[in-house]
Amino acid sequence: GQNIDQPTEMTATEGAIVQINCTYQTSGFNGLFWYQQHAGEAPTFLSYNVLDGLEEKGRFSSFLSRSKGYSYLLLKELQMKDSASYLCAVVDSNYQLIWGAGTKLIIKP
Amino acid sequence: DTGVSQDPRHKITKRGQNVTFRCDPISEHNRLYWYRQTLGQGPEFLTYFQNEAQLEKSRLLSDRFSAERPKGSFSTLEIQRTEQGDSAMYLCASSSVRDSLTYEQYFGPGTRLTVT
Repeated sequence: GQNIDQPTEMTATEGAIVQINCTYQTSGFNGLFWYQQHAGEAPTFLSYNVLDGLEEKGRFSSFLSRSKGYSYLLLKELQMKDSASYLCAVVDSNYQLIWGAGTKLIIKP
Repeated sequence: DTGVSQDPRHKITKRGQNVTFRCDPISEHNRLYWYRQTLGQGPEFLTYFQNEAQLEKSRLLSDRFSAERPKGSFSTLEIQRTEQGDSAMYLCASSSVRDSLTYEQYFGPGTRLTVT
């Protein structure tokens, strides 16, 4: 079967750095997305990785290791507005998105 | 605004009633997806269209659920004989498929369904 694992919840302090991990087992791999979702709102795109390595975009970076079936999202200089759920999703061999349950990130002052 | 739109944003209905939701994707996108999301979970795939063709339907989708995209533009999702377990956020997303690559999915604001 297909499986995406992420921690259910994480807590971090404003101004700090946090890393949210995602491991996956899917039928095929055509890329991995990270989305941010604030409570009651729709997911919004953060990053897309299809090759191994680190993609940096401002305060957010995403890393992929295809051989390990592993990705992480790194958030730097945390702000209160970063409190949200972060969803990992893998594009499988049929070009469908397989979604994780999301990691709820709580930022404390 | 050229983003994905959904209507209505909220729907409260009594058990046993039928409901229909509408999604208008980004105009140049040829793929349209329907998802269901409950609290604390990621989006759960329901079905998707490429142009007007419905290419895949989740096994989780009972025969009470049906979706259409008659002209390859907007789509409707109908739930017949609603049950309390149908209460969820229904999300629509669209994407553009070019050269066998799937680009990011853009989500609409969702329709929150409450079945009483």
